Amino acid sequence: EPEVTQTPSHQVTQMGQEVILRCVPISNHLYFYWYRQILGQKVEFLVSFYNNEISEKSEIFDDQFSVERPDGSNFTLKIRSTKLEDSAMYFCASSVVGDTEAFFGQGTRLTVV
Amino acid sequence: RKEVEQDPGPFNVPEGATVAFNCTYSNSASQSFFWYRQDCRKEPKLLMSVYSSGNEDGRFTAQLNRASQYISLLIRDSKLSDSATYLCVVKLRGAQKLVFGQGTRLTINP
Repeated sequence: EPEVTQTPSHQVTQMGQEVILRCVPISNHLYFYWYRQILGQKVEFLVSFYNNEISEKSEIFDDQFSVERPDGSNFTLKIRSTKLEDSAMYFCASSVVGDTEAFFGQGTRLTVV
Repeated sequence: RKEVEQDPGPFNVPEGATVAFNCTYSNSASQSFFWYRQDCRKEPKLLMSVYSSGNEDGRFTAQLNRASQYISLLIRDSKLSDSATYLCVVKLRGAQKLVFGQGTRLTINP
């Protein structure tokens, strides 16, 4: 069964450092997403990406964040200068089209120290 | 008012019992509805989409009431493996983002 894969599974970084989280969406999907979940809280939308550009983003997705699809398979989330409050589980997801269900990767646990 | 509201639980029920979860959403422009389940520290996994006429998938039945902006999930003959957090999720018309409720935690006891 096709699945969304994410690397790394866990990343520890120092405050102020840049991190890049990587994702390989399901191959025939056209929409890609990043969500985050702070421990004990609900899953929150960050950004959606379609046709090589951001199609929707939340208030959380400020100038510290960026997304990229550098090649035909990878989809990355970059956080430029991490803060303690960026510590969370980051989930990548993809969907065939924009109004259908999304399938999630196993997540990257980011710990900022 | 929260966009998607769920009773956080926890619900503790014996194996074999029937359990029901409710969810309300605030935005009448919500168009698509889903139930996901999430195991501890894992990713959300799609359980089922929710259709206007209601739908069933094995032991799971989902209902939608657009007039009351209310979604429900019924689990019959619950199994130990049903223990998880159940997430009510909506998508607005014209938007791509999923809006999650905070989840309802369910524990099935032997």
